[in-house]
Amino acid sequence: DAGVTQSPTHLIKTRGQQVTLRCSPKSGHDTVSWYQQALGQGPQFIFQYYEEEERQRGNFPDRFSGHQFPNYSSELNVNALLLGDSALYLCASSAQGKETQYFGPGTRLLVL
Amino acid sequence: RKEVEQDPGPFNVPEGATVAFNCTYSNSASQSFFWYRQDCRKEPKLLMSVYSSGNEDGRFTAQLNRASQYISLLIRDSKLSDSATYLCVVIRKAAGNKLTFGGGTRVLVKP
Repeated sequence: DAGVTQSPTHLIKTRGQQVTLRCSPKSGHDTVSWYQQALGQGPQFIFQYYEEEERQRGNFPDRFSGHQFPNYSSELNVNALLLGDSALYLCASSAQGKETQYFGPGTRLLVL
Repeated sequence: RKEVEQDPGPFNVPEGATVAFNCTYSNSASQSFFWYRQDCRKEPKLLMSVYSSGNEDGRFTAQLNRASQYISLLIRDSKLSDSATYLCVVIRKAAGNKLTFGGGTRVLVKP
């Protein structure tokens, strides 16, 4: 049973560029949440997708957007990258209504 | 004030010793509580849920104190492999099922 997968594992971008990160949820899960974890801090909630719609959003600017596909996989897009966007981006999946979330290995983004 | 706060540590623990640390939360409407473990440069993994009556999983014991708004984690007979960052997580159902994390407590178990 495959767990949550994310791609790419690492990414280097320059300021002003755009990036797309991808996530495939654990089998049987239909809800995907994205988190940003800066170095030395706990993960911060970005948004959550269910039934191909954004259901909740954390305190992140509109430069952060996402999408969920019919197969429940998801993308996180960040436009106009800033140095401060450098972080580990974590995807977590869960079954709708269930509290337990399972995390993927993350994508480490470095913005230069 | 952050919604979930933890002592960042590090807690330096001799192998075989007991270590305990707390996490405080500011919103009394918080309803569900968890401890996650995160190894260096890895993703968080669920360690255990925290129930009102307290619960134990092997060498790990979690407690919830709603009156004082904190949860605790105690590790007995520490192993070198227990070295990690322990993340406290709360959920408020009114805010949906998003996880709100503390900053983590780093534990280093030494021989």
